[in-house]
Amino acid sequence: EAGVVQSPRYKIIEKKQPVAFWCNPISGHNTLYWYRQNLGQGPELLIRYENEEAVDDSQLPKDRFSAERLKGVDSTLKIQPAELGDSAVYLCASSPPEVNTEAFFGQGTRLTVV
Amino acid sequence: GEDVEQSLFLSVREGDSSVINCTYTDSSSTYLYWYKQEPGAGLQLLTYIFSNMDMKQDQRLTVLLNKKDKHLSLRIADTQTGDSAIYFCAEDNNTDKLIFGTGTRLQVFP
Repeated sequence: EAGVVQSPRYKIIEKKQPVAFWCNPISGHNTLYWYRQNLGQGPELLIRYENEEAVDDSQLPKDRFSAERLKGVDSTLKIQPAELGDSAVYLCASSPPEVNTEAFFGQGTRLTVV
Repeated sequence: GEDVEQSLFLSVREGDSSVINCTYTDSSSTYLYWYKQEPGAGLQLLTYIFSNMDMKQDQRLTVLLNKKDKHLSLRIADTQTGDSAIYFCAEDNNTDKLIFGTGTRLQVFP
């Protein structure tokens, strides 16, 4: 069974440019998370979806970040415009229904803003 | 408040036991977790412990939980070079949101 798939693996952009990340969770997993991991730190939750509904986006900087999960499966995370401080690894994770103890992570997208 | 703390580095000889420690602040957490992150990879769930347990063993891994002191540890027996990675502890503060520590880099030398 395929794990959580993220693309791209790496992205380098200039500041003020837009960028988007894509995540395909494990089939059947209704909960999807986006985390940001800064260098030398643990991941921090940006947004959590239950199916297509964002149930926790309190940590998402809404002035420049947006996310969507239109059909309750794939999700995209967008930053517009990107700032130097957005350089980080963006991790997507998913968990099956009623078993939120087991979050499976993708390999992440490493974003570098120059 | 939400704060999970870990020491930054641990270096052990191959074959020895490794003990990685973590302290957390939220006593309402239902589960506490240990994740492993290898270079360039996502996080892999190693094990988790329910908050009303004080020990869980899974092959070479032993998790100890001291709820009174809010202290969690992960012991890896017979540590191998393949165990070299960053280990994160995390709590769920009784929600579906994981609060991660800063990670402990484990280096295993021959």
